[in-house]
Amino acid sequence: QKEVEQDPGPLSVPEGAIVSLNCTYSNSAFQYFMWYRQYSRKGPELLMYTYSSGNKEDGRFTAQVDKSSKYISLFIRDSQPSDSATYLCAMSDGSGGSNYKLTFGKGTLLTVNP
Amino acid sequence: DTGVSQDPRHKITKRGQNVTFRCDPISEHNRLYWYRQTLGQGPEFLTYFQNEAQLEKSRLLSDRFSAERPKGSFSTLEIQRTEQGDSAMYLCASSFSGSGNTIYFGEGSWLTVV
Repeated sequence: QKEVEQDPGPLSVPEGAIVSLNCTYSNSAFQYFMWYRQYSRKGPELLMYTYSSGNKEDGRFTAQVDKSSKYISLFIRDSQPSDSATYLCAMSDGSGGSNYKLTFGKGTLLTVNP
Repeated sequence: DTGVSQDPRHKITKRGQNVTFRCDPISEHNRLYWYRQTLGQGPEFLTYFQNEAQLEKSRLLSDRFSAERPKGSFSTLEIQRTEQGDSAMYLCASSFSGSGNTIYFGEGSWLTVV
């Protein structure tokens, strides 16, 4: 079993839909959680950064972390065609006082249709 | 552009040749990372520098791989005697230890070994 599991999709939704993306993990030491967006043949772009459990909102994006269930989510409201990309979850245990070693999911390919 | 810069963006090489990639991090960032990403997978951690010191190397980094960060500025990743299995995108990232260590990725360097 991989440390981080993410459904690769693909996921196709109409413009304006609410999108829900999820990851599960097995390492209970993870305490830093991130979502990155990656367009085709580009580097990952940081969207959301969360420490420990709870919710964080930034514009149309909401990140949720449930450490008791080892489950994290990213919600996108009012999805736009420009949101079409691969979404990667990433997490770290912060060992050594740093969260440098990120463990990524495989990524979910999202297409938002006009 | 003040983001993480990588060069070259694309490299096609014959099996057995050596290749070198360069990364220029965001100027005030003291931490620099290399990750590798293959098609359909999330990035995997390779190595990490704090200033000029290489503090950790993944077991993925075989003896044919070497990374340097002279003077704690730019970094190079060299692959000797390339193999077809080395074909991947090599991602450089950087962060500043005093800012929650948010990690920013470059656009990546695509390597194809033929």
